[in-house]
Amino acid sequence: DQQVKQNSPSLSVQEGRISILNCDYTNSMFDYFLWYKKYPAEGPTFLISISSIKDKNEDGRFTVFLNKSAKHLSLHIVPSQPGDSAVYFCAATSTNAGNNRKLIWGLGTSLAVNP
Amino acid sequence: NAGVTQTPKFRILKIGQSMTLQCTQDMNHNYMYWYRQDPGMGLKLIYYSVGAGITDKGEVPNGYNVSRSTTEDFPLRLELAAPSQTSVYFCASSYGQGLNQPQHFGDGTRLSIL
Repeated sequence: DQQVKQNSPSLSVQEGRISILNCDYTNSMFDYFLWYKKYPAEGPTFLISISSIKDKNEDGRFTVFLNKSAKHLSLHIVPSQPGDSAVYFCAATSTNAGNNRKLIWGLGTSLAVNP
Repeated sequence: NAGVTQTPKFRILKIGQSMTLQCTQDMNHNYMYWYRQDPGMGLKLIYYSVGAGITDKGEVPNGYNVSRSTTEDFPLRLELAAPSQTSVYFCASSYGQGLNQPQHFGDGTRLSIL
């Protein structure tokens, strides 16, 4: 039972274009969402997050959009750069779980940005 | 700034052997976590700790044990290695679980059980 779904295992875009990575969730208790980026042979690194009280959060070239009614979020990277080539994980949690909240992770989307 | 350090980076074990995966962090974080990532899968939480002396089970704790005697260290113990425990293991830490307190990860330990 995959509560956080990243249905596209891979994505390929041209340098300078927009990359859009999608994530769907099934648990309506989730109210905080994070994106992590992972390079080969390294651990995941935090990229950007969004709370359910917002529908958009922006940090430089990275923007996350949240559609609560559709239980869907997306990560936009504009413009895409070759250094953005990595695996991107979507993760979700419920802040109502107090100090015992756990992150539930998607399977990841491998992004390749071609020069 | 070292962050989260995991040792060893690679290890091959025989079935039935035991070993300890080491994790240490120098950020004075209260929370520490152990995850495993199987090929093509997301991260699964094995154990976590909210502070020294306090640990709790995650989603997939069977076959593992942890201890947290200091703020810095959170070792993961495999007592009787099984092929199903072949995976990449990640340790992470965070100051808290607030909205602006993301988890910081080590670079992982790649473990093969043969």
